[in-house]
Amino acid sequence: EDKVVQSPLSLVVHEGDTVTLNCSYEVTNFRSLLWYKQEKKAPTFLFMLTSSGIEKKSGRLSSILDKKELFSILNITATQTGDSAVYLCAVLRNNDMRFGAGTRLTVKP
Amino acid sequence: NAGVTQTPKFQVLKTGQSMTLQCAQDMNHNSMYWYRQDPGMGLRLIYYSASEGTTDKGEVPNGYNVSRLNKREFSLRLESAAPSQTSVYFCASSELLADGYTFGSGTRLTVV
Repeated sequence: EDKVVQSPLSLVVHEGDTVTLNCSYEVTNFRSLLWYKQEKKAPTFLFMLTSSGIEKKSGRLSSILDKKELFSILNITATQTGDSAVYLCAVLRNNDMRFGAGTRLTVKP
Repeated sequence: NAGVTQTPKFQVLKTGQSMTLQCAQDMNHNSMYWYRQDPGMGLRLIYYSASEGTTDKGEVPNGYNVSRLNKREFSLRLESAAPSQTSVYFCASSELLADGYTFGSGTRLTVV
């Protein structure tokens, strides 16, 4: 059965810290891996990764995919309280996406 | 541009009652999806519709039915609600799956 596993499940840091969120997967018909940020309502798109070893960056956030070892990481540098959210990893298959359980990040002032 | 609109936003049902969750998108997307989100479980796919006129089961379809009424609308029906169906329900749509989903704002359903 296809699985997407995120770790840690929750994380508490202080402003200015750097965090690394992990996502491992075992999925048939893998097409790409996506990261979403979810605050109070609907998930919002962060990154889509299709190729191994190519880092995607957006401001203080970056992500990379390893298709050989079947995992991805999401890095957030110089964290801010506004980064507090649940971060979801999802794997795109042929017809749909399989999501992980998410990592709840809390950034304290 | 509204994107994906879900109604209602909140609902409380008694066990055994029925209801329909509505979803409409105005982006002319072919594919639409219903997910439920429970604490510690992430989002799990209930049903999806790859195109108008087709529907398929996802990971957790039991207790639900769907209708793809037209290209814009995809509804989710609970015929006899159970407390285990207490959850937040998200509708999503996509044109090309490779571009990811656009999500609605969710429906918080409580079954007592």
